[in-house]
Amino acid sequence: AQSVAQPEDQVNVAEGNPLTVKCTYSVSGNPYLFWYVQYPNRGLQFLLKYITGDNLVKGSYGFEAEFNKSQTSFHLKKPSALVSDSALYFCAVRDNAGNMLTFGGGTRLMVKP
Amino acid sequence: KAGVTQTPRYLIKTRGQQVTLSCSPISGHRSVSWYQQTPGQGLQFLFEYFSETQRNKGNFPGRFSGRQFSNSRSEMNVSTLELGDSALYLCASSLLGSGEKLFFGSGTQLSVL
Repeated sequence: AQSVAQPEDQVNVAEGNPLTVKCTYSVSGNPYLFWYVQYPNRGLQFLLKYITGDNLVKGSYGFEAEFNKSQTSFHLKKPSALVSDSALYFCAVRDNAGNMLTFGGGTRLMVKP
Repeated sequence: KAGVTQTPRYLIKTRGQQVTLSCSPISGHRSVSWYQQTPGQGLQFLFEYFSETQRNKGNFPGRFSGRQFSNSRSEMNVSTLELGDSALYLCASSLLGSGEKLFFGSGTQLSVL
């Protein structure tokens, strides 16, 4: 069965500093990997995805993620955090056989001014 | 282009009742999936429909059911409600399925008393 782990319930970072939100996964075959963000009282918004190609994926709002096959990780990064980046971030994985999308438990990002 | 619309936004029911939630996908999207979000369990996949056919189903009891109509609108039904069914129910649509970018609605917040 496929699974996603987000080991940190919360990440705190100062505005202007780089941020990393961690994600590791387990799936059969080649993974489809995603990051979504959820602002308060809202549905999820797509940030970026990796299916194949360059291991560094660029997405919305200046976010990027690095796919590491040997470590089965897909960490989300941003060079300079903004207070407005404070939200709940979800990593998700799907196999390439058309099965369901599995989400991690979420990581709350708090960016302090 | 209108986004994914979920109705109602809030719902309060009592144990033993049944409830129907509605989701209207983005025009042209043929895939609709449903997720349950709770603070303790994160995002759990319920089911995915594509062109009126259920394509995938999550690990939920038979009290949870869904369907998709010819215009791609979808409904999910929960019968014999339990306290543990209190959650935010999110619907997402996409052109072809979970291997691509999902567009989420704002959700229906269900409270079971």
